[in-house]
Amino acid sequence: DAGITQSPRHKVTETGTPVTLRCHQTENHRYMYWYRQDPGHGLRLIHYSYGVKDTDKGEVSDGYSVSRSKTEDFLLTLESATSSQTSVYFCAISESSHRGLRNEQFFGPGTRLTVL
Amino acid sequence: AQSVSQHNHHVILSEAASLELGCNYSYGGTVNLFWYVQYPGQHLQLLLKYFSGDPLVKGIKGFEAEFIKSKFSFNLRKPSVQWSDTAEYFCAVDTGGGNKLTFGTGTQLKVEL
Repeated sequence: DAGITQSPRHKVTETGTPVTLRCHQTENHRYMYWYRQDPGHGLRLIHYSYGVKDTDKGEVSDGYSVSRSKTEDFLLTLESATSSQTSVYFCAISESSHRGLRNEQFFGPGTRLTVL
Repeated sequence: AQSVSQHNHHVILSEAASLELGCNYSYGGTVNLFWYVQYPGQHLQLLLKYFSGDPLVKGIKGFEAEFIKSKFSFNLRKPSVQWSDTAEYFCAVDTGGGNKLTFGTGTQLKVEL
């Protein structure tokens, strides 16, 4: 398995509180991604990063922000959590985005977040 | 926008039955295609991938998939399923070389003894 850890693995919080999820990799991969997984929706991309301090929005970025100050860490922040953000959050990494090179994504173990 | 359809949401099979899960995508250009599996309580793992070349690709655990460009399809198959194949299966499409994956909604497979 790729060296990806997520913390915390489980979190319960209240509406309106800030929450930060951390993804840490030991593979030195350039690309990192945050997805949320919800029943009936599969996985949807929230934000991704293509390098240190380089990030971009995904399909469902509203209410989320990210930061990447080091290659190995990608943080996802919910500035003011809402019940609609109750979900399982997965981090993924990828070695390259260049076509023709190995570019599958490897996933972390996930964080189950409940917003009451 | 790119979309991926998995028409079978829940599939129940007996052990040794054959499996075929459908996946269709909407993008008309060059694509990279993936099937991921998620066993209960675990993270997603790559089953197989198609980048180019032979449209019939073989993955782990006896799974294979066929890319049919004219049908915009990438169906997953296994000749004989096992109870341990019980999991959720996701098709994903990358149209940008790895920047973003668009996932289907998943197919929940239950294999009964």
